[in-house]
Amino acid sequence: EPEVTQTPSHQVTQMGQEVILRCVPISNHLYFYWYRQILGQKVEFLVSFYNNEISEKSEIFDDQFSVERPDGSNFTLKIRSTKLEDSAMYFCAGNSQGAHYEQYFGPGTRLTVT
Amino acid sequence: GESVGLHLPTLSVQEGDNSIINCAYSNSASDYFIWYKQESGKGPQFIIDIRSNMDKRQGQRVTVLLNKTVKHLSLQIAATQPGDSAVYFCAENRKTSGSRLTFGEGTQLTVNP
Repeated sequence: EPEVTQTPSHQVTQMGQEVILRCVPISNHLYFYWYRQILGQKVEFLVSFYNNEISEKSEIFDDQFSVERPDGSNFTLKIRSTKLEDSAMYFCAGNSQGAHYEQYFGPGTRLTVT
Repeated sequence: GESVGLHLPTLSVQEGDNSIINCAYSNSASDYFIWYKQESGKGPQFIIDIRSNMDKRQGQRVTVLLNKTVKHLSLQIAATQPGDSAVYFCAENRKTSGSRLTFGEGTQLTVNP
């Protein structure tokens, strides 16, 4: 069964550093997402991506964040200058045409900012 | 404000019993309500959805009930098994909000053998 994969599983970085979180979505998916989950809290939407452009973003997704699908398979989330409050699990997700309520999530990347 | 939330943060049941996990929502504009399961160390996993014009939907061992009058959603798990132990989130999707999912706080279900 195809799965969403994410790398790295855990990323430790210093405040102010740039990080890139990587995802390989399921190949026939067309819509892609990033969510984050601060420890013990609910999952929060960051951004959705379709047809090589951002289709929607939340108030969390400010100028420090960017997404890219550079080669048709990888989907990346970049945080330009990390802050302590960016520490969280970051999940990539995707779905096929129309089934937005049934999103397939990756295992997540735990980002720790020190 | 708009929110999707849960009544209880934890639920403990005996193996073989039925579990009921509840969720309240405040916005009537949702088009779909969805239940996700998150096992420790994993990403959320889709369980079942219900369209806002329905009041009941059944899956394999799971039933979702939607009461729009009181803005309440529940997930019933029949014959709960140890493998059902996880955090359960309700979520909603609105066509006017595109494809984003808005998640509630989560209920930790523990199944005791």
